[in-house]
Amino acid sequence: RKEVEQDPGPFNVPEGATVAFNCTYSNSASQSFFWYRQDCRKEPKLLMSVYSSGNEDGRFTAQLNRASQYISLLIRDSKLSDSATYLCVVTLLPFSGGYQKVTFGTGTKLQVIP
Amino acid sequence: NAGVTQTPKFQVLKTGQSMTLQCAQDMNHEYMSWYRQDPGMGLRLIHYSVGAGITDQGEVPNGYNVSRSTTEDFPLRLLSAAPSQTSVYFCASSYTGGGILGSPLHFGNGTRLTVT
Repeated sequence: RKEVEQDPGPFNVPEGATVAFNCTYSNSASQSFFWYRQDCRKEPKLLMSVYSSGNEDGRFTAQLNRASQYISLLIRDSKLSDSATYLCVVTLLPFSGGYQKVTFGTGTKLQVIP
Repeated sequence: NAGVTQTPKFQVLKTGQSMTLQCAQDMNHEYMSWYRQDPGMGLRLIHYSVGAGITDQGEVPNGYNVSRSTTEDFPLRLLSAAPSQTSVYFCASSYTGGGILGSPLHFGNGTRLTVT
């Protein structure tokens, strides 16, 4: 089983639609969670961190479900400019010490259609 | 403030050639890292550094060397290029490693490497 799994998509949605992505992780000791956005042929950029209580940033809502080991990203009122690949990121501090292990999912591609 | 700067943007190598990918950051980040991104594989960590003079291996270190003589620079060296190293390479930096809320990874704009 992969450490971090995402549905690769593509998700094709019309402008104005609401779309949700899930990301599952295998290690229950994982500590921090993020969503990054990557435009075609560009570098990844942080979209939002995911807090335990869930958090919202404008049209974007991120939630964490530790019991089921998944995080989600909800995008409301989709814009053409939201078309991108969304990467789920999970971090873990090894029991043996050392630096955090940062694991990226393979990404979910979103295409917003006019 | 340039952030993370990678050079070159594109490179074509022949099997067996060597080259160095450059990475520099001006944000005084302690943590720097190199990733490669391949279709269907996601971003995989090659090497990382938690400060000048300190480097360690990531998930896929074979065929690559790094050094960190200054806080700002973290070059990645391919000693003898192989077709399996054809990929997009990203350098990333952070204050603490990208795993702490509030301290995300900042990426350079990537190097597209083709080995023939």
